Amino acid sequence: NAGVTQTPKFQVLKTGQSMTLQCAQDMNHNSMYWYRQDPGMGLRLIYYSASEGTTDKGEVPNGYNVSRLNKREFSLRLESAAPSQTSVYFCASSGRTGGEQFFGPGTRLTVL
Amino acid sequence: SQELEQSPQSLIVQEGKNLTINCTSSKTLYGLYWYKQKYGEGLIFLMMLQKGGEEKSHEKITAKLDEKKQQSSLHITASQPSHAGIYLCGAEAGSNYKLTFGKGTLLTVNP
Repeated sequence: NAGVTQTPKFQVLKTGQSMTLQCAQDMNHNSMYWYRQDPGMGLRLIYYSASEGTTDKGEVPNGYNVSRLNKREFSLRLESAAPSQTSVYFCASSGRTGGEQFFGPGTRLTVL
Repeated sequence: SQELEQSPQSLIVQEGKNLTINCTSSKTLYGLYWYKQKYGEGLIFLMMLQKGGEEKSHEKITAKLDEKKQQSSLHITASQPSHAGIYLCGAEAGSNYKLTFGKGTLLTVNP
């Protein structure tokens, strides 16, 4: 089992460009999450999907959109990237019966 | 909203020394999770505590939950360079298993 996979691992964008971060899990988990991690700010929840077909805003959703494509995949889209979105992005998933979350390796995004 | 404060923010110890990291919540803790992160990598789950007074151990790492104090502690015995990294605590913030995280404690272990 690969667990949680994320693509790409690194990305550099110019201000105003758009891109989609991909996340997939092979653990048959219902819930999936997108976080960003910034120095001094810790991990902050951007969006989450409690189950297939549902998505909800987290703590810092502005500037992002998400799609729960199916049970396995949960993507994060930046429509018009801004320098403030420079961060490390983590995807995570968890099973219905427990709160333990499994994290992907992260995507390092730089917006110039 | 729930806030988690970790202390210390950073810690440098000599190999072989014991150390403790604390995580204090602004609200009642219903589930407390400890993760470890190495630089440039994702988070690795260490332990989950759910009941007041609960204590769990894995190798040389022990975590305890003090429900009354709304606090959890992570204790490492006889630290090794492999213990170095960022330790984060996370707490359940309501339904849907959303977690709120502390800002992390950076641990350096000098050989």
